[in-house]
Amino acid sequence: KAGVTQTPRYLIKTRGQQVTLSCSPISGHRSVSWYQQTPGQGLQFLFEYFSETQRNKGNFPGRFSGRQFSNSRSEMNVSTLELGDSALYLCASSSGPTYNEQFFGPGTRLTVL
Amino acid sequence: EDQVTQSPEALRLQEGESSSLNCSYTVSGLRGLFWYRQDPGKGPEFLFTLYSAGEEKEKERLKATLTKKESFLHITAPKPEDSATYLCAVQGNAGNMLTFGGGTRLMVKP
Repeated sequence: KAGVTQTPRYLIKTRGQQVTLSCSPISGHRSVSWYQQTPGQGLQFLFEYFSETQRNKGNFPGRFSGRQFSNSRSEMNVSTLELGDSALYLCASSSGPTYNEQFFGPGTRLTVL
Repeated sequence: EDQVTQSPEALRLQEGESSSLNCSYTVSGLRGLFWYRQDPGKGPEFLFTLYSAGEEKEKERLKATLTKKESFLHITAPKPEDSATYLCAVQGNAGNMLTFGGGTRLMVKP
């Protein structure tokens, strides 16, 4: 079974630009969660989608948004990039809405210059 | 607010020297406690889920245990390939959201 895939793996953007990251969950998994990982703050929850609906959202500004498609693939968007948005963005998939293990993808390394 | 604290932040061991990593947590309604391993530049790799106090799980040289306030990851006779950052996370009442600790960076010298 293929794991979670994330594209692109690396991105370099400049301040003020916007970026879209993509995540394909494990086949059959319907829940996708996004996390931001930085050396200073560690792993922080961004949001979770299940069956195309956002179920939970972390404490991030409105510049961070996401969506999920009918095939469970998910995208997250960051608008008006800031230097502090440089991080490893991780996607995790699980089979159901709760009580389930979450499996992470390799991440997208975003660098904002 | 759910909180997870891991200790120590870093741990250096000689190959074969057993030790334990600690994960203390506070959560409103524990649904599950998760352990992950993360290598540099990669996504976390799932190791274990523990659901209730007293539960234990093992995988090769790793054994995870759970009490009502903390979890331990015991590493028996570690090898250099066990070097990684070990992350602990809790799942509470908010769907699949995980709250992570800061991690323990384990270095095993041959």
